[in-house]
Amino acid sequence: NAGVTQTPKFQVLKTGQSMTLQCAQDMNHEYMSWYRQDPGMGLRLIHYSVGAGITDQGEVPNGYNVSRSTTEDFPLRLLSAAPSQTSVYFCASSYPGLAGTSNEQFFGPGTRLTVL
Amino acid sequence: AQKVTQAQTEISVVEKEDVTLDCVYETRDTTYYLFWYKQPPSGELVFLIRRNSFDEQNEISGRYSWNFQKSTSSFNFTITASQVVDSAVYFCALRETSGSRLTFGEGTQLTVNP
Repeated sequence: NAGVTQTPKFQVLKTGQSMTLQCAQDMNHEYMSWYRQDPGMGLRLIHYSVGAGITDQGEVPNGYNVSRSTTEDFPLRLLSAAPSQTSVYFCASSYPGLAGTSNEQFFGPGTRLTVL
Repeated sequence: AQKVTQAQTEISVVEKEDVTLDCVYETRDTTYYLFWYKQPPSGELVFLIRRNSFDEQNEISGRYSWNFQKSTSSFNFTITASQVVDSAVYFCALRETSGSRLTFGEGTQLTVNP
């Protein structure tokens, strides 16, 4: 299994440009999430999905869109990049677990995004 | 709303010292899950442990141990006889059963000096 893969690893954008960060997992996980990591702020949830066709907002969703057309893929779209979106982005996936349980989230290697 | 606080931003120790990383959480759920992740300088996030709220038994794994106390809403992590390879950012996280969100603390940068 490749686990959770993210592309690209690094990206530089100009203000106003749009792009899509790709995330894929081959573990048949139902839950997938996107986080951003900024210095001194830990990881903050952007959007998440509990299954194909279902998405919801996290803590910091503004400026980002997601869709979940398949179980495997969960792309994150930046509509109009801003310098405030300079960050490291992590995608994660997990099984929902049996009732009353929660499984660990598996994280991708991250995408380092710089917006000039 | 759930919240995780890691009050120690940075800790620096000398190799072989014991070190404890603090984690305090807030939640309204009676059932929840706590996690610790390690982020070494290479940047990936490594899962260390998961603990259910109804299981307050402390856990030991090699040089790592975790002390979960519901009475004080704390889930502290101790590294015994620290090594240089333990240098990393450590994150504590909380997941409520009422949702699928994982809330992270701000992280503690641990530096172990030779």
